[in-house]
Amino acid sequence: DSGVTQTPKHLITATGQRVTLRCSPRSGDLSVYWYQQSLDQGLQFLIHYYNGEERAKGNILERFSAQQFPDLHSELNLSSLELGDSALYFCASSFTGDEQYFGPGTRLTVT
Amino acid sequence: AQSVTQPDIHITVSEGASLELRCNYSYGATPYLFWYVQSPGQGLQLLLKYFSGDTLVQGIKGFEAEFKRSQSSFNLRKPSVHWSDAAEYFCAVPNDYKLSFGAGTTVTVRA
Repeated sequence: DSGVTQTPKHLITATGQRVTLRCSPRSGDLSVYWYQQSLDQGLQFLIHYYNGEERAKGNILERFSAQQFPDLHSELNLSSLELGDSALYFCASSFTGDEQYFGPGTRLTVT
Repeated sequence: AQSVTQPDIHITVSEGASLELRCNYSYGATPYLFWYVQSPGQGLQLLLKYFSGDTLVQGIKGFEAEFKRSQSSFNLRKPSVHWSDAAEYFCAVPNDYKLSFGAGTTVTVRA
């Protein structure tokens, strides 16, 4: 158990819908990272938050957004969902910025 | 930007045999390097990390990795594989505010 929690574990929704994925980092970690894992793209970095502030963006679509709250949990919002958004979404947290600990992931299926 | 490559997409090994997974990095200075494992349906678990110092790094689950600057490699090894080691293994390197992952190596363990 990494200490990073993610909910829900599975999510099935229809095209055009909006979903919210939630992540709670390890105790003491201020950084939260979101990654997407798909068969064709592999593991791709989406976005990084540090202590409530956005620090870096990767290959994140404009339809996707995230935030980190004062209690340090983070939410990833995915809207206008398309079939191609089906993937595993991982959250990771870090204290040092290099060593990252991953949650169990949320498997999103868009039908 | 730092990057890693994993030349082997899939490796099959007999239970009890030794295992070596290859990872090559691209960076001029000494990088930080990580190996993660992803069991089927699970998140990524940190196996071991290299920051500096001893070039032979011990990790969890009986794994070790050796940093070789002359070969730009950080190969993962296990002397005797167990059926539970069947998983996907990722080499990773920090890159600005994110981890950049190799494409992964899937390990199949045959009885």
